[in-house]
Amino acid sequence: DIQLTQSPSSLSASVGDRVTITCRASQGISFYLAWYQQKPGKVPELLISAASTLQSGVPSRFSGSGSGTDFTLTLSSLQPEDVATYYCQKYNSAPWTFGQGTKVEIK
Amino acid sequence: QVQLQESGPGLVKPSETLSLTCTVSGGSISSHYWSWIRQPPGKGLEWIGYIYHTGSTYYNPALKSRVTISVDTSKNQFSLKLNSVTATDTAVYYCARSSAWAEPFDYWGQGTLVTVSS
Repeated sequence: DIQLTQSPSSLSASVGDRVTITCRASQGISFYLAWYQQKPGKVPELLISAASTLQSGVPSRFSGSGSGTDFTLTLSSLQPEDVATYYCQKYNSAPWTFGQGTKVEIK
Repeated sequence: QVQLQESGPGLVKPSETLSLTCTVSGGSISSHYWSWIRQPPGKGLEWIGYIYHTGSTYYNPALKSRVTISVDTSKNQFSLKLNSVTATDTAVYYCARSSAWAEPFDYWGQGTLVTVSS
């Protein structure tokens, strides 16, 4: 089965900083990668599908890129409301696996 | 607006069977893929398995021997059974929808905490 490895597992950055989270697949998954945001105590929400397609209502400071095995989620300017854990998920074929998560905090 | 709501016991004894139901409202259960996902306290997300409205299923290999997912299209519900539970099965259990094959989870239930304890 294909595994997803996220890095870093956690990060602390200042408001306004550019933040980058990576997700690496153990085998190629084309563009079938999604990113979810889970705020503390809340349900995960879909941010990005197909590696780079922003969902409706998601702020434009979020962006995704990559294909094959290497993917990136970028926050161009970190805001206090972005404090959350971010998960990548592959869905090209079952089993539909999640990365282990990246916890983003404000410095 | 599609809504999903999990229901079932919040406490299950070790070695017994965990049973949950997800009720879908605001849309039909047909033509979509329906999953169960869980999250142990303070940990990450683990996909358990999916069912298609036809009854076709796929389970996480790590849980396959203990999991059964079923669907009742007449009630717009699908269900999870996880047998022989232990404390490591304590988690928030979510139901979620994928609009089609090779699509991510676009709608989620609010989640329900199931604790395995005697």
